[in-house]
Amino acid sequence: SQTIHQWPATLVQPVGSPLSLECTVEGTSNPNLYWYRQAAGRGLQLLFYSVGIGQISSEVPQNLSASRPQDRQFILSSKKLLLSDSGFYLCAWADDGNQPQHFGDGTRLSIL
Amino acid sequence: GDSVTQMEGPVTLSEEAFLTINCTYTATGYPSLFWYVQYPGEGLQLLLKATKADDKGSNKGFEATYRKETTSFHLEKGSVQVSDSAVYFCALLNTGTASKLTFGTGTRLQVTL
Repeated sequence: SQTIHQWPATLVQPVGSPLSLECTVEGTSNPNLYWYRQAAGRGLQLLFYSVGIGQISSEVPQNLSASRPQDRQFILSSKKLLLSDSGFYLCAWADDGNQPQHFGDGTRLSIL
Repeated sequence: GDSVTQMEGPVTLSEEAFLTINCTYTATGYPSLFWYVQYPGEGLQLLLKATKADDKGSNKGFEATYRKETTSFHLEKGSVQVSDSAVYFCALLNTGTASKLTFGTGTRLQVTL
């Protein structure tokens, strides 16, 4: 069966520091991959999605970037974190077509 | 573009009460519809889905029926439990969108004894 792993679960970073969050999926090939951010008490905002290795689409302009170096690996990065980058970051995957997305357990990022 | 509208929360119910969380959508074509649940501090879990008009999705005592005529997908449960306390998200998936979901803003449910 398919599984999705996100790490770390919790992260506290100072303003201006770099960021790297990793997400990997097991048990499927060539999935669509997604990064979302959820601010406290708010809905989900799609940040990036990828339909294949090296293919990244950005949904909103921001301080973050994403990369997909391998088929089942999706990385969210920043060179310099801002206070506004705080939030709950969720990775998700889906098979191509009309299939629903399946989410990881999330990373709670606090910026000090 | 596509959009999903959910009722404002929080919804507070006593255990064993009947639950309805309203969800309506706007979309071109024939989207698939989903309910996701998010327990405190966790990611989202797919609760149920419906892929065409008049389909009923069900899971763990929750049900929702895809009503094309009213563009709705209301979530219902006959008797809620304290363990159902969570945030519920309605979402739609339209064809040709790289499986990008359009989410509602979420409805927080609090069930008390």
